[in-house]
Amino acid sequence: KAGVTQTPRYLIKTRGQQVTLSCSPISGHRSVSWYQQTPGQGLQFLFEYFSETQRNKGNFPGRFSGRQFSNSRSEMNVSTLELGDSALYLCASSLIENTYEQYFGPGTRLTVT
Amino acid sequence: GQQLNQSPQSMFIQEGEDVSMNCTSSSIFNTWLWYKQDPGEGPVLLIALYKAGELTSNGRLTAQFGITRKDSFLNISASIPSDVGIYFCAGQLEETSGSRLTFGEGTQLTVNP
Repeated sequence: KAGVTQTPRYLIKTRGQQVTLSCSPISGHRSVSWYQQTPGQGLQFLFEYFSETQRNKGNFPGRFSGRQFSNSRSEMNVSTLELGDSALYLCASSLIENTYEQYFGPGTRLTVT
Repeated sequence: GQQLNQSPQSMFIQEGEDVSMNCTSSSIFNTWLWYKQDPGEGPVLLIALYKAGELTSNGRLTAQFGITRKDSFLNISASIPSDVGIYFCAGQLEETSGSRLTFGEGTQLTVNP
């Protein structure tokens, strides 16, 4: 069974731009969570989606948003990029809602210049 | 900010040695998970623990869910070079809902052949 896939793997943007990252969960998994990983803050929870609804949101500004489609694929969007948004963005999928066994994709490395 | 204290931050060991790392918190967790992350990749789930006192093994890896529900440890026996990587503990806080995970800062493991 294919794992979680994320596209693109690498991205370079400039301050003020916006970016959209994509995540395809493991086939059959319906819950998708997003995390930001930086050297200073470690892995921080962004949000969780299940059945196209945001179930949980972390402590990030409103510039960070996401959505989930009917096929469970998810996208996250960051508007008005700041230098501090440079990070590895990880998507994790799990079979159902409220399941803690989450399986991560390889991540998208975003660099903001 | 981080609510999990993971130690040690780094370890340098010889091949064949056993390794132990742990996570502690002042908060109660419902679930503990241990992940390993290789450079440029997402974390890979190693072990999941669901009950206080639970001891679970996965090959050379053994992890335990502390009886106070505030700590967990991971042991790796007879280390090999491919054990190199960053190990993260993660858990679901009792006070949170959904699949939101809180991560430790990670333990960087180096194995010298």
